[in-house]
Amino acid sequence: EVQLVESGGGLVQPGGSLRLSCAASGFTLRTYWMSWVRQAPGKGLEWVANIKQDGSEKYYVDSVKGRFTISRDNAKNSLYLQMNSLRAEDTAVYYCARPEAGYFFFWGQGTLVTVSS
Amino acid sequence: SYVLTQPPSVSVAPGKTARITCGGNNIGGKSVHWYQQKPGQAPVLVIYYDSDRPSGIPERFSGSNSGNTATLTISRVEAGDEADYYCQVWDSSSDHPFGGGTKLTVL
Repeated sequence: EVQLVESGGGLVQPGGSLRLSCAASGFTLRTYWMSWVRQAPGKGLEWVANIKQDGSEKYYVDSVKGRFTISRDNAKNSLYLQMNSLRAEDTAVYYCARPEAGYFFFWGQGTLVTVSS
Repeated sequence: SYVLTQPPSVSVAPGKTARITCGGNNIGGKSVHWYQQKPGQAPVLVIYYDSDRPSGIPERFSGSNSGNTATLTISRVEAGDEADYYCQVWDSSSDHPFGGGTKLTVL
């Protein structure tokens, strides 16, 4: 059974940093692209970042470019999102998701990031 | 970036048919995917590649895509279908937008 379990969310001050993790199980992580998708409170879904199987290609939504870094450790079956220079508008539930040829079939349960002073 | 436009809300009586639209420039030339999200839960894929249904999704859910509009159709609506619905496309390596979401209310 495919499982994606996010962790690392919490309360952080504006300008601060946070690192999210996603533990993958039930499949071979190194054979799949992986993604982060977020959802601000009461708002819609927003794709955040993608990373290729070997980490050689990474893509980001414009609003996080230069501040967020997606990475992976296939040996540890883990996906990460390093978030720096956090802003209030980054407050959201962050989901780890596995894209399948253009759509997201497998999702984690999400981890809440709150940026506030 | 590519923009997807959904109506904020759709209301339907039980047993009737709900249609949720997703507008985009020449969206008919892209593959559209639909998600259902209930409060406090992660999204669930209900339609992929315009009209395919994942295993376990009722046949009451169907999709179409042509021109500038994709449509999610839910037939014989049930109370349990009340949720937010999002469309999504995989536009390029660097842009995978979601629509703004539509809240389906079952009257």
